[in-house]
Formats: sequence, C-alpha cells, structure tokens
Amino acid sequence: EAGVVQSPRYKIIEKKQPVAFWCNPISGHNTLYWYLQNLGQGPELLIRYENEEAVDDSQLPKDRFSAERLKGVDSTLKIQPAELGDSAVYLCASSLGTINEQFFGPGTRLTVL
Amino acid sequence: TQLLEQSPQFLSIQEGENLTVYCNSSSVFSSLQWYRQEPGEGPVLLVTVVTGGEVKKLKRLTFQFGDARKDSSLHITAAQTGDTGLYLCAVRNDYKLSFGAGTTVTVRA
Repeated sequence: EAGVVQSPRYKIIEKKQPVAFWCNPISGHNTLYWYLQNLGQGPELLIRYENEEAVDDSQLPKDRFSAERLKGVDSTLKIQPAELGDSAVYLCASSLGTINEQFFGPGTRLTVL
Repeated sequence: TQLLEQSPQFLSIQEGENLTVYCNSSSVFSSLQWYRQEPGEGPVLLVTVVTGGEVKKLKRLTFQFGDARKDSSLHITAAQTGDTGLYLCAVRNDYKLSFGAGTTVTVRA
C-alpha cells in the first residue's frame, strides 16, 4: 500500500515568489494534516482537514498561507508571497479519523533565497 | 516554552554502544509517543506508552514512561548505523500532536 505522497520533494525560490506543495494521502484516510518543521525542531501543526473541511486552521498564517482539499482527497498548501523565514520542511500526514495513527509523508524542503 | 523538553539535543556514538535519550515535561500526560525521523523522510511512530511506569521493548529499543507520567526515556542497546535519525517524543490532545524538538542521533560505523 502506498504511503503519503508529497511533491515536489525540494523547492528553491526567491523571496516574494509564490510556491505550492501537493499532498496525496493514504487511500481511504479522511483526515489530512499539514505540518511545518523548522530545522532542529519538531513538526508543528498548520491545518487539519476532515474530508474537504478545514476544521482547525488556527495555526495557519492566513496573510500569506492558504490550503485547499477540494474533493476531500489530495490537498495543496500555498504560500504567497514567500519570505526568508518560510524556509523549512512542509510535512503532510493522514489518518483514518482523528484518534488513529497519523502517517507522515517525506515532506517538501523549501529554501527561500 | 516547549511543552516537551528533549535531551540531549545531539548524540554521536560508535556502533555497538548504548544510548539513552530523554523527554521531560512539567505536565502530566495520559500517553506519550516516540517517533523516529530519518533524513529526508517524515516521522514514523515507534511506540505509544500509556501507563505510568510502563516499559515497552521493540527489539533493541526500550521505552519507559515515568511513574508520574511526566517524562519518558528511550534506550537503544548495541546501536547500529541504521538507528541514525531524529528521535521525537510527542503527546496527543485529541487529534493534535505536540512534538518536542528531538534528539539527533548519529551512529558511526
């Protein structure tokens, strides 16, 4: 069974440019999470989806970050415009309901120059 | 202030040696999880400990939950190069996972 798929794996952009990350969760997992992991830190939750609904986006910086999960399957996280401090790894995770184990994708490593 | 404090931050040992990493907090938790994150990958759940004083073993890895459920340790016996990675502890509040900063373990051949 395929795990959580993320693309691209690496992205280098200049500041003020837009960037988008894509995530395909494990088949059948209705709950999807986006996390931010800074260097030397653990992941921090940005947003959680239950099917197509964003049920917790309290940690998402809404001035520049947006996310969507239109059909309740794959999801896109966007940053516009990117800032130097956005350089980090963006992890996607999925689970079958909220009480079960979260499975993480390999992440997208973003470098903003 | 971090909810979970992990120590040490970095650990480098020779293959075959033992190591212990720690996860501490001033709060009491109903359960605590340990993850391993290899370079270029996402975290993978190793174990969940639930009961104060609980000890769980996973091959050469031994996990212990403190009696007061405020702290936990992970001990690796006879470390191998494949044990290299970032070891994260985390606690769950409903669906939300809160992670510590992790301990980066490097096992040298």
